[in-house]
Order: sequence, then structure tokens, then C-alpha cells
Amino acid sequence: NAGVMQNPRHLVRRRGQEARLRCSPMKGHSHVYWYRQLPEEGLKFMVYLQKENIIDESGMPKERFSAEFPKEGPSILRIQQVVRGDSAAYFCASSPHNIIRGDTEAFFGQGTRLTVV
Amino acid sequence: DAKTTQPTSMDCAEGRAANLPCNHSTISGNEYVYWYRQIHSQGPQYIIHGLKNNETNEMASLIITEDRKSSTLILPHATLRDTAVYYCIVRVAQGAGTASKLTFGTGTRLQVTL
Repeated sequence: NAGVMQNPRHLVRRRGQEARLRCSPMKGHSHVYWYRQLPEEGLKFMVYLQKENIIDESGMPKERFSAEFPKEGPSILRIQQVVRGDSAAYFCASSPHNIIRGDTEAFFGQGTRLTVV
Repeated sequence: DAKTTQPTSMDCAEGRAANLPCNHSTISGNEYVYWYRQIHSQGPQYIIHGLKNNETNEMASLIITEDRKSSTLILPHATLRDTAVYYCIVRVAQGAGTASKLTFGTGTRLQVTL
């Protein structure tokens, strides 16, 4: 069972371009979380999605950022008109739909390192 | 989710047990204690979690006090590869079909030395 797959691992964009980060959850997982880690800082929650639904987007910047998790295919984090401050590592995590127990662990991918030049 | 308090950093000699403490004095009855670690900017790695009983797996042991206000993660025989930032997180288990987000604090930077 492959782990959480994120691509690309490294992404360079010029200011004003768009960045698309992809996350394929582990097989059977229907919950996806996106986190951002600025250089030398901790992980900050951005958004939590289930298939086709945004459950919690309390950590998403109000402008330029969007996320989706379609019925088919990976979850996408999209950043429009990138600025230098968007340079960070973006991590995706997934967890299973567990209908028996309420506790579930989340598994993280290796991240996408975005550099805006 | 309840706030946790961890020491900023700790050292441990290779081969010795590493005991990482965590205070979560405001934890609620339906909140679990999770531990993750992040090795040098890699993706966070799940270690262990528990509710009120002590837990053990192939990576570590988790000791939760009877009042659940604190816990200790134990790496029984630390190696250099265990050098990482360790995060203690409390998280609500919301029941069937849902799972709440993990809120990371600043963690404990564990340095394992020769």
C-alpha cells in the first residue's frame, strides 16, 4: 500500500504565476488535510477535505488559495498569483473513513517545496 | 483542541531511553493524545496515540497519567536516526465518519548524540 504521494516534490514559480500542488491519499482514505510550513517554523493547518467537500478551511488565506478533492483523482491545492511569501513546504496528510472507532491517525506525504522567485 | 506544553529541546545519548514529556492539563474526556515526529523537514511521521491506557508499539511507548493531564513518550533505545522534532497533540475523536484536524505546536527538538 503506497503512502501519501505528493507531487511535484519541488516547484519553482515566478511571482504572479499559479502553483498547483497535488496529493494522492493512501488507498481507502477519504479524508485529506493540507498544512504549510514556512522556513524554520511549525506546521500550520490550512484545510481539511473529504471527497468533494471542504470540511474546515479555517487556516486557508482568504485570497489566492483554493483546494479541492474531487470524486476521482488527487486533491489539488492551488495558489494563484504567487508571491515570495508563499515560499514554503506544503504537506498533505490523509486518514481513513473509520466507522467503528472515532480515533484515526493521519499519514503525511513528503511535501512539496514551493519556491517563488 | 486542548493546548499542549513541551520542552523546547532535549538531548539523549544513543542507546539510552529518551523520555519526552507533554503537559495537557485542559484535555477533555473525548480527546486523544497523539505523537508525531518530523525528521529534518520531511513529512511528519505518526508514532503512537492513546486515550487513557498506556500504549506500546514497535516505535515507542506512551504513558498517560491517571488524571490524563500529562503524558510521556518513551523511545526505549534512542538512535541517531531518532533525532527529530517531536510533537504532542491532543485531538478530539469526533465519532463515526469524521476526524478532526491535527494542530501542531512547537514540539520538542530531540538531539541524540554519540
